[in-house]
Amino acid sequence: GAGVSQSPSNKVTEKGKDVELRCDPISGHTALYWYRQSLGQGLEFLIYFQGNSAPDKSGLPSDRFSAERTGGSVSTLTIQRTQQEDSAVYLCASTIAGGQQQYFGPGTRLTVT
Amino acid sequence: AQSVTQLDSQVPVFEEAPVELRCNYSSSVSVYLFWYVQYPNQGLQLLLKYLSGSTLVESINGFEAEFNKSQTSFHLRKPSVHISDTAEYFCAPSSGGYQKVTFGTGTKLQVIP
Repeated sequence: GAGVSQSPSNKVTEKGKDVELRCDPISGHTALYWYRQSLGQGLEFLIYFQGNSAPDKSGLPSDRFSAERTGGSVSTLTIQRTQQEDSAVYLCASTIAGGQQQYFGPGTRLTVT
Repeated sequence: AQSVTQLDSQVPVFEEAPVELRCNYSSSVSVYLFWYVQYPNQGLQLLLKYLSGSTLVESINGFEAEFNKSQTSFHLRKPSVHISDTAEYFCAPSSGGYQKVTFGTGTKLQVIP
């Protein structure tokens, strides 16, 4: 079946602009994670959605970052007033209910100029 | 939530030599343990996992990891590495259920010809 998909695959934006990154999880997966991977860095947890529970936003680096998940499926990560330090690959992963193995999307490479 | 330590950020090793990538986690409850691999310019994918049963688990490409509860470790080993093993490896313990998965900072394995 289809895996996790993310769009766009690449995004170049000017400093100060807002961007939206999209993640389509595997159908039926109730948990969804967003991570950030900066050049030469490990995985930085951003936010975690599990079913209808309140999301775990503890990893969001500032109030410029927000995410929502509509209908328990598609998720959008929004970065407002982008800064150059926001340049990174943004990864999305999903898991089945109660499952722990994560299935990753290909990522969105964001470049802020 | 779990915490995880990958002590080695980079591990250079000659081709056909053995390698061990270390992972220690903190927990007093049952855990599930995962190693993910990210090959150059690719997304993350599962390498191997421990859920229950035999404490020694293997991957299809010759890696193995042993769950050591007393030492809270899940080190990744391969007796003879190949150039194609050059990648970044992430350890990820989980407390199970709906708890958030925690990723280590990653270890970059560089296989030298």
